[in-house]
Amino acid sequence: SQQGEEDPQALSIQEGENATMNCSYKTSINNLQWYRQNSGRGLVHLILIRSNEREKHSGRLRVTLDTSKKSSSLLITASRAADTASYFCATDAYGGAGSYQLTFGKGTKLSVIP
Amino acid sequence: GAVVSQHPSWVICKSGTSVKIECRSLDFQATTMFWYRQFPKQSLMLMATSNEGSKATYEQGVEKDKFLINHASLTLSTLTVTSAHPEDSSFYICSARDLESDEQYFGPGTRLTVT
Repeated sequence: SQQGEEDPQALSIQEGENATMNCSYKTSINNLQWYRQNSGRGLVHLILIRSNEREKHSGRLRVTLDTSKKSSSLLITASRAADTASYFCATDAYGGAGSYQLTFGKGTKLSVIP
Repeated sequence: GAVVSQHPSWVICKSGTSVKIECRSLDFQATTMFWYRQFPKQSLMLMATSNEGSKATYEQGVEKDKFLINHASLTLSTLTVTSAHPEDSSFYICSARDLESDEQYFGPGTRLTVT
C-alpha cells in the first residue's frame, strides 16, 4: 500500500516562480527520496534525506524533513519549463522481504508555464 | 547518479506468449533489485523484491507463477511475464539499490502491450 501522500496533486506556476510540494507519511522511515518522472519515462533520482537530517540542498532543490510531523517538502526555486514533470516522494523502510523498500506516494504533477 | 538500464524499452506481444524484461545496474553492484508496475497517471506499485542468489519476495496480490523473477548476478535481474493477458499491459520499471548510499536508481521502464 502507498505510504506517502503528496500535496498538491497538481500545481501550475509561471516560469521563474518557486514550486513547493509536500509529502506526508505514516510510519517510521530510514530515509525519504524524491524523484522526477517525465511523461512515459523512467524515474530520475533527485535527492535523498535521511531520518536524522532536517534539510538538504541540491542545486535549485531544497528538501526538508520533519519526522515529528511525518512530513517532507520539496522546493524548486526559479522554476523552468523543463521542470515540468511529475514528482514523487518515496519513503524507505524495512520491508517484509528482509530488505529496505521504497513506497511511493501518488505524486504531484507540476506544470511550469513559459 | 548511478545508471540502471532496462531492455526492451517497449514490447508488443500476443496473448498467451511470454515476455522477458532485463534490468542491469551498469556502474554498481546491486544485491537487491526491485520490480514495479505503473498504470497510466498512477504511482508505482512494488511487485517484488529480488535478492541476488535467492528467491524473490512478492508483494501481496502479485502472482509469482505469472511474474517470474531471476536475479542471477549482482548486476542483472530479469522479469518474465508468462502467459501474458491484455490486463498485463502496463509500464514495468526496475530499480536497483546502491547499498553504500541507500539511493535507489530506476531503469527507464518497459512498456508492455499485450494484444
